[in-house]
Amino acid sequence: GEDVEQSLFLSVREGDSSVINCTYTDSSSTYLYWYKQEPGAGLQLLTYIFSNMDMKQDQRLTVLLNKKDKHLSLRIADTQTGDSAIYFCAESSYNQGGKLIFGQGTELSVKP
Amino acid sequence: NAGVTQTPKFQVLKTGQSMTLQCAQDMNHNSMYWYRQDPGMGLRLIYYSASEGTTDKGEVPNGYNVSRLNKREFSLRLESAAPSQTSVYFCASSEAVGGGFDGYTFGSGTRLTVV
Repeated sequence: GEDVEQSLFLSVREGDSSVINCTYTDSSSTYLYWYKQEPGAGLQLLTYIFSNMDMKQDQRLTVLLNKKDKHLSLRIADTQTGDSAIYFCAESSYNQGGKLIFGQGTELSVKP
Repeated sequence: NAGVTQTPKFQVLKTGQSMTLQCAQDMNHNSMYWYRQDPGMGLRLIYYSASEGTTDKGEVPNGYNVSRLNKREFSLRLESAAPSQTSVYFCASSEAVGGGFDGYTFGSGTRLTVV
């Protein structure tokens, strides 16, 4: 079946850049997403990238997509303590009828 | 707008008890979903409803049933709860199954413990 993989933990210092990586298997995915989950809350959509794009920037967030390697990354510039959360990547899987397939989530810890 | 509302927020059940998790959305979305979240396993799809009147199994449907009551409401029922069903349950909705640029909108979750 389709699979989305992420590393489970990332720790950075406040003010540094964070890079969260994700790999996926469905080369026919149309949209790829990054969600943020704060403690005790649901998932909130941060940003998306369409499959024909290589990069998307939105304020402190930069998404890079390498379709050849099926690799997606989220860079957070000037990381703040408020960015501490779990980040999920997801693909809209053509092979799963378009349903979103989520990775395991990367827990980002930002130390002052 | 409330978005996606889930009730209850917390629940403790004894093994063998039954309960229904409620979900309602006010965004006029066609598609609704139930996921469970377990540490290190991400979100796994239990059931979904692509449109009013239809329901389909997801990745982990065993032990669960669903009802799409109308366009707004999608409930998840545990007929005989087991400790393996201890989890955080999320309801989500979207305009269409494919997500599009809005993706899925999630509720705040129900934290269920089965003892």
